Amino acid sequence: AQTVTQSQPEMSVQEAETVTLSCTYDTSENNYYLFWYKQPPSRQMILVIRQEAYKQQNATENRFSVNFQKAAKSFSLKISDSQLGDTAMYFCAFMKNTGANSKLTFGKGITLSVRP
Amino acid sequence: DSGVTQTPKHLITATGQRVTLRCSPRSGDLSVYWYQQSLDQGLQFLIQYYNGEERAKGNILERFSAQQFPDLHSELNLSSLELGDSALYFCASSVSSSGSGRAYEQYFGPGTRLTVT
Repeated sequence: AQTVTQSQPEMSVQEAETVTLSCTYDTSENNYYLFWYKQPPSRQMILVIRQEAYKQQNATENRFSVNFQKAAKSFSLKISDSQLGDTAMYFCAFMKNTGANSKLTFGKGITLSVRP
Repeated sequence: DSGVTQTPKHLITATGQRVTLRCSPRSGDLSVYWYQQSLDQGLQFLIQYYNGEERAKGNILERFSAQQFPDLHSELNLSSLELGDSALYFCASSVSSSGSGRAYEQYFGPGTRLTVT
């Protein structure tokens, strides 16, 4: 079974600064996907970024980028130029690339507060 | 807006009752997933359907059941409700359950908040 660990329950960052959210996972699979989801106070789950395990290049989406270290089973999210609207809970998630069962396994989440 | 719709947004019911939560996936998405978010259990996968067929089951109680209809909308039925079933229930959809890249991305609906009193 896969596990996803987000050990920091809360983080705070000043507006316009950069923050990194940590995530580690445990799996015996070689082919999988990793995701970060954002859940703002509205409770909507919003997909932030996707990383394929077979790709060495780190994924980027505008101000969001990841640092994917496959050997270390680490998958951190970097948010640059933080904005007030980034205040939310962030979840790291794992998905096996099997086709038959592509459920997401989530970490417990981290609450990020962006200070004005 | 993810394109996934869920109804109702809120549901308040009593213990022992039965409720049905409804989900319409994004246009073109064949896979539907149900997740439960509670304070003590976090976000947990319940069940997956692909083009009308059950594909995978997670930590879904026997009191819970789901189905996906020919028009691809899905319903989650919760019966003999207990206080501990109070949670936010999400539906998500993806293009497929195989392939690569974007086909695997799951887009979530706004959720149904269930309160059992």
